[in-house]
Amino acid sequence: QQPVQSPQAVILREGEDAVINCSSSKALYSVHWYRQKHGEAPVFLMILLKGGEQKGHEKISASFNEKKQQSSLYLTASQLSYSGTYFCGTERHYGGSQGNLIFGKGTKLSVKP
Amino acid sequence: GAGVSQSPSNKVTEKGKDVELRCDPISGHTALYWYRQRLGQGLEFLIYFQGNSAPDKSGLPSDRFSAERTGESVSTLTIQRTQQEDSAVYLCASSLVSGGYNEQFFGPGTRLTVL
Repeated sequence: QQPVQSPQAVILREGEDAVINCSSSKALYSVHWYRQKHGEAPVFLMILLKGGEQKGHEKISASFNEKKQQSSLYLTASQLSYSGTYFCGTERHYGGSQGNLIFGKGTKLSVKP
Repeated sequence: GAGVSQSPSNKVTEKGKDVELRCDPISGHTALYWYRQRLGQGLEFLIYFQGNSAPDKSGLPSDRFSAERTGESVSTLTIQRTQQEDSAVYLCASSLVSGGYNEQFFGPGTRLTVL
């Protein structure tokens, strides 16, 4: 049930682009993306809902392919501040008793000068 | 403060002792979540409270783990007879309501070390 993230780690130079993928074997209602910097709590980036609605960061984009149960996070023109571990969290049903997120193992992104 | 707070920030205990970890969610948030994060690992779901509904305890790893929530406010995670494998950062998060369009706001975590 845990979503699978790829790649596990990526190293970029400032200004380069990256794509982080998240896939599930089960049908999904929503996908959430969070970034965690070392020693800090995860911070919200983006939510993508079944049906196409999105909510999140202006400078970060993402897609959600409902049929394939996949989401991708697109980081363009990366900055040093983008470094951290990115987690996707998947929700199979809206709210109620099953409104918790199951998180992937994370993708560690390092941006070098 | 408007954020999620957790206490203590660090806890060192001896194997076999009980510990209590506290979480104060953002005021007005009806959903509250507990996660465990081992060193260098992902976020492992433990338990989730939504309003007055029965909590989802499906992530608790053993019966040594339990959690309570007072109404829609403070929550306490209790670990009885702690083991070394319980060492981790325990994160609490809250959201306005559960799921869907509602992002989770995380607290700074409690780092638990079991000697």
